Amino acid sequence: GENVEQHPSTLSVQEGDSAVIKCTYSDSASNYFPWYKQELGKRPQLIIDIRSNVGEKKDQRIAVTLNKTAKHFSLHITETQPEDSAVYFCALDTGRRALTFGSGTRLQVQP
Amino acid sequence: NAGVTQTPKFQVLKTGQSMTLQCAQDMNHEYMSWYRQDPGMGLRLIHYSVGAGITDQGEVPNGYNVSRSTTEDFPLRLLSAAPSQTSVYFCASTGLGSHYGYTFGSGTRLTVV
Repeated sequence: GENVEQHPSTLSVQEGDSAVIKCTYSDSASNYFPWYKQELGKRPQLIIDIRSNVGEKKDQRIAVTLNKTAKHFSLHITETQPEDSAVYFCALDTGRRALTFGSGTRLQVQP
Repeated sequence: NAGVTQTPKFQVLKTGQSMTLQCAQDMNHEYMSWYRQDPGMGLRLIHYSVGAGITDQGEVPNGYNVSRSTTEDFPLRLLSAAPSQTSVYFCASTGLGSHYGYTFGSGTRLTVV
């Protein structure tokens, strides 16, 4: 099946700094790339997504970039705040309408 | 509009017992899927369905059965529970008209002793 590699596994930043998380994949049929935030004991929460015909998408402090040639996509969070601290997962859909997830990044924003 | 409803929220099973995790959605979504999440790990796809009567295996299907007799329901069955199946289980759905957005249930925390 499809494999999604996510890096880094942990990330610690100072409040106000930027955070970047990167995922790489292998299946060129992948056409939908969401990012989820998960807090302890909660369900994954969609924070931003991008489709294969778009290279970049931004929503306030959050942006996602997609490089289909290199098969990687990245989450960018600017002006980080303590409430951004959580586990972040990338995921993708190869068209079967079910998701393959990365292994997660634990983001800690230090006040 | 409840979205995706999972029951039960918590369950403790003994090794060898069977049970069914329920998942229901009221958004008329064609596509439903089950995932498990072990501590400190990402979600892994167990089974998925593209419509009533059609199911397929994901990455970790062993030990689990599914059926999709209606559009609304997608139950996950554990025939003989094992400690390795201790996990949090999430159900999700999406539809042709939802622009790929997935709706997740709140999860079932299962412990097998």
